[in-house]
Amino acid sequence: AQKITQTQPGMFVQEKEAVTLDCTYDTSDPSYGLFWYKQPSSGEMIFLIYQGSYDQQNATEGRYSLNFQKARKSANLVISASQLGDSAMYFCAMRESSRGSTLGRLYFGRGTQLTVWP
Amino acid sequence: EAGVVQSPRYKIIEKKQPVAFWCNPISGHNTLYWYRQNLGQGPELLIRYENEEAVDDSQLPKDRFSAERLKGVDSTLKIQPAELGDSAVYLCASSLVAGNPTGELFFGEGSRLTVL
Repeated sequence: AQKITQTQPGMFVQEKEAVTLDCTYDTSDPSYGLFWYKQPSSGEMIFLIYQGSYDQQNATEGRYSLNFQKARKSANLVISASQLGDSAMYFCAMRESSRGSTLGRLYFGRGTQLTVWP
Repeated sequence: EAGVVQSPRYKIIEKKQPVAFWCNPISGHNTLYWYRQNLGQGPELLIRYENEEAVDDSQLPKDRFSAERLKGVDSTLKIQPAELGDSAVYLCASSLVAGNPTGELFFGEGSRLTVL
């Protein structure tokens, strides 16, 4: 079974609007962390935001916020006030904390290509 | 502070040839990862090192892939012989402490391999 599912291959948003990128995850580990990374065309993966499974509040980092719904196993990324430079591939990822030799392994989804148009 | 450095950025080889990729992690990061990213997909872990010890290599195709991290700093990933299906981007990443669930990975720009 896929650990991370991103169902939107591509998303389009107009500059200055908000956009939500979907992510669902699958784990039986009670302790885990969720990450979002941005990958521009240059190829480097850039860390955006982190949410721990025990965090009570949704994580926020500038224009990025994570809509964490634990019961639904959902960790959607919300980008507010989109900018042209936000056009990139976005990956959701999960790390499980209690699974022996795979401790520390980061599982990635297939990504969502975001295009911001003027 | 310098980021994760990888080389070469691009490599084109014919099948059955060997190829090697080099990675220099962020100074002080004890954990190093090699990921492979196929076109249109997310990265998949090949191997993870804690210092010089490979602690998670279950997804490394050991018949043709090998890796080393001498002295717990730089790392080399080798493919010999390369196959057409090995065409991908090979990403190196480092983090401070693997057991810290909040520890994000810092990635290099990747090495794009094309096997003809």
